[in-house]
Amino acid sequence: NAGVMQNPRHLVRRRGQEARLRCSPMKGHSHVYWYRQLPEEGLKFMVYLQKENIIDESGMPKERFSAEFPKEGPSILRIQQVVRGDSAAYFCASSPRQVSSGNTIYFGEGSWLTVV
Amino acid sequence: ILNVEQSPQSLHVQEGDSTNFTCSFPSSNFYALHWYRWETAKSPEALFVMTLNGDEKKKGRISATLNTKEGYSYLYIKGSQPEDSATYLCAFQGGAGNMLTFGGGTRLMVKP
Repeated sequence: NAGVMQNPRHLVRRRGQEARLRCSPMKGHSHVYWYRQLPEEGLKFMVYLQKENIIDESGMPKERFSAEFPKEGPSILRIQQVVRGDSAAYFCASSPRQVSSGNTIYFGEGSWLTVV
Repeated sequence: ILNVEQSPQSLHVQEGDSTNFTCSFPSSNFYALHWYRWETAKSPEALFVMTLNGDEKKKGRISATLNTKEGYSYLYIKGSQPEDSATYLCAFQGGAGNMLTFGGGTRLMVKP
């Protein structure tokens, strides 16, 4: 069973460009979570999506950031007009259902965004 | 803003030593506490999900305890090995279906 797959693993963008990060959840998982790790900081929640729905986006910056999880295809985290402060590792996780009754979420290996 | 604290931030031990570290979390609105092991350049790996006060879980040489009334969990590693070197993360969950709030992690380095 393939795990959570993220691509690209490394992405370099110039200031003002757009970054698109993709996440394919584990087979059978319909819930996706995006976390960000800024340099010298821990994992911070950004957004929780279920197929075609945003469940919780309380950790998402209000501007320039958006996320989707379409009926078909991977979840995409999109950052428009990137700035140097967006340089971070972005981690995706998935679960088969909402996290309850002792189950948990499973992480990908992350996508490292560098803004130059 | 939920406060999930882990201590110490980093720890160096000798091979064979036993060690433990702490995760502190809010004692109200507790649903579950998750532990992960995170090796450099890999994905965080789920270790335990703990839900009941007094819970104890064990996986090989690693075990964890939970005290929801006072808001802490301990992770223990018995007879540390170099391959145990990793960052250990805890994450608090405040309700069914809620997102996980992570602590900053404890970075463990085991010297041969």
